[in-house]
Amino acid sequence: AQSVSQHNHHVILSEAASLELGCNYSYGGTVNLFWYVQYPGQHLQLLLKYFSGDPLVKGIKGFEAEFIKSKFSFNLRKPSVQWSDTAEYFCALEGAGSYQLTFGKGTKLSVIP
Amino acid sequence: GAVVSQHPSWVICKSGTSVKIECRSLDFQATTMFWYRQFPKQSLMLMATSNEGSKATYEQGVEKDKFLINHASLTLSTLTVTSAHPEDSSFYICSAYTSGSYNEQFFGPGTRLTVL
Repeated sequence: AQSVSQHNHHVILSEAASLELGCNYSYGGTVNLFWYVQYPGQHLQLLLKYFSGDPLVKGIKGFEAEFIKSKFSFNLRKPSVQWSDTAEYFCALEGAGSYQLTFGKGTKLSVIP
Repeated sequence: GAVVSQHPSWVICKSGTSVKIECRSLDFQATTMFWYRQFPKQSLMLMATSNEGSKATYEQGVEKDKFLINHASLTLSTLTVTSAHPEDSSFYICSAYTSGSYNEQFFGPGTRLTVL
C-alpha cells in the first residue's frame, strides 16, 4: 500500500527564517510527487511537482523540493519565509499513470511577523 | 491555472436527508474527477474516482450506495450523500484532472457538510 508521511504537524517560524518540511513516502514503483499549499479559507494549490529528471524541483513563490530516491523523501524548502506563507502544506504522491493522489496529513506553517 | 468550483460551499442538513454537492470545471474539460473527504487535522482521503459517462470507482471502505457519484459531462460531477448521518459531517473536496498542457489535478474550494 502506498502512503505519505509528514513528520511535522505544526511548524512556527519567524519571518526570514529558513523552512524545511519533511515528506517521506512508501510506494513500490515509479512515483510522481507533489507539494500543495492551502492558504486559510482557500482551496488547494499546486506548489511544485516532480515527475522525472532533475531531482531538485523549483516551484512557485520561491519554494523548492528535492527528491531523494534512496531516502524515499521529497522535502520542501524555502530559504526565507514570509508572513504570507502561513498556510497548510500537503505532500502527495501519485503512482505513475494512476492519476490518483495519496496525501500526507499536512503540516501547518505559522510565520510570525 | 484552471478553475474548479464547488456548490454549495457549506450546507447544514437534518439526519436522514440527502445532500447533493456539485463540482464544476469552469474553463477546461476534465477527463476525470476525484472526490475527497477531509477530517479536521487529517489528510485528504480519496473517496472515489469518476470518469465522464462511466460508473465511479470507489475506494475501499467507501459505501457506493451512500455516496452517489454522477459524472454527467466533462465539466460536471455531483456527489450525493444519501440518508446523511452526523458521522458524515466533514469537508468534501473535489478535483478535476486534465491532461495536455496541465497534466495535473485542480482542486475545488471544498464543501463543509454538517449533519444535525
